[in-house]
Amino acid sequence: ETGVTQTPRHLVMGMTNKKSLKCEQHLGHNAMYWYKQSAKKPLELMFVYSLEERVENNSVPSRFSPECPNSSHLFLHLHTLQPEDSALYLCASSQESVGTQYFGPGTRLTVL
Amino acid sequence: RKEVEQDPGPFNVPEGATVAFNCTYSNSASQSFFWYRQDCRKEPKLLMSVYSSGNEDGRFTAQLNRASQYISLLIRDSKLSDSATYLCVVNNAGGTSYGKLTFGQGTILTVHP
Repeated sequence: ETGVTQTPRHLVMGMTNKKSLKCEQHLGHNAMYWYKQSAKKPLELMFVYSLEERVENNSVPSRFSPECPNSSHLFLHLHTLQPEDSALYLCASSQESVGTQYFGPGTRLTVL
Repeated sequence: RKEVEQDPGPFNVPEGATVAFNCTYSNSASQSFFWYRQDCRKEPKLLMSVYSSGNEDGRFTAQLNRASQYISLLIRDSKLSDSATYLCVVNNAGGTSYGKLTFGQGTILTVHP
């Protein structure tokens, strides 16, 4: 399935690095989401973009910076992360509020 | 109280067994409900939506009780391939143009031969 793609699939970075995660959806949806999934914890919604406008920011630290240049692409820029930020970062998209959310395969991030 | 609460399990059942998962949610204004499935080290995938009238998809039956704020999933005739984590998901979109999904912690199911 290639409806929602994410790159890279795996990323190891030091605390002083800057990196970006990329998400692309090929489903014509108008909303895109970033989630964080840590071990033994439920998925946590980080950011929501609707019609390319950020509409939700769930108290995410500023070391995570999202960007949505158009309705098909979503980025998550990372800088000066902490080891506790190591997790699976999932991108999703949907059409309207009640539409099913389709997830990308995720980026497994390790911060050393 | 957690917004969406599930028994984390794990549930270990033999092939052919019937297994039921339960979930409760705290927001009485929640609008829509889902069960997602997540295989190990993979992304969540929609298993089925849950409706007040109850709905069935093959071996899977989902029920919603709005009065009790309770959701269930029943799997009949379990297969080895049903082994996964089952996520109870609630949408609190509340008039927005986008979804606001809240996920439960997930229930781990292992089906053994």
